[in-house]
Amino acid sequence: EIVLTQSPGTLSLSPGERATLSCRASQSVSSNYLAWYQQKPGQAPRLLIYGASSRATGVPDRFGGSGSGTDFSLTISRLEPEDFAVYYCQQYGSSPLTFGGGTKVEI
Amino acid sequence: QVQLVESGGGVVQPGRSLRLSCAVSGFTFSSYGMHWVRQAPDKGLEWVAAIWYDGSNEYYADSVKGRFTISRDNSKNTLYLQVNSLRVEDTAVYYCARDRRTYCGGDCSLGNFDHWGQGTQVTVSS
Repeated sequence: EIVLTQSPGTLSLSPGERATLSCRASQSVSSNYLAWYQQKPGQAPRLLIYGASSRATGVPDRFGGSGSGTDFSLTISRLEPEDFAVYYCQQYGSSPLTFGGGTKVEI
Repeated sequence: QVQLVESGGGVVQPGRSLRLSCAVSGFTFSSYGMHWVRQAPDKGLEWVAAIWYDGSNEYYADSVKGRFTISRDNSKNTLYLQVNSLRVEDTAVYYCARDRRTYCGGDCSLGNFDHWGQGTQVTVSS
């Protein structure tokens, strides 16, 4: 089973700032099958990025994904008020599917 | 538009059973693999189970294997999760989620999820 470790646990930033979130895998993620989700309190997760760097439908271009192998990152170029949430990475390159523990982006 | 609506959650005693349902609309259900993902209180996300678009294969997390069964009825546009022998640690919000790719891109054991339901709460307590 691939273990995903996200860092930092909490990121304290202000609107307009840049956020960089990290997701490290315990072994190489096949075909860079790595996704990122955003979750706000009381809501279901929302897919942001798949295939490490492809934006899902309707996702603003301030969200960008990068990385390969075992090291991946999600960058939010300029934080908007609605971006304050918890972010999860997920690998789907091997079974079982696994998620990281999450990074909370707070004001 | 795409909609997924879960139901069937509740408060149950350890060892009891529930059947969760996920009614979908707005897309061709029989063309997509489907998954259940759960989230314990104030915890992260945990993948639970997956099923092929035609119901031909199923996959489970080790934590639920032998106790949970995923199934679907494509004629009713509904996904199910039969949860048996419930444990306190099964307490969570259970989400159904759609694989982003039609026909799972060829492998329904692997997927990322582009549409989610609102979740149904399962609480296991004596």
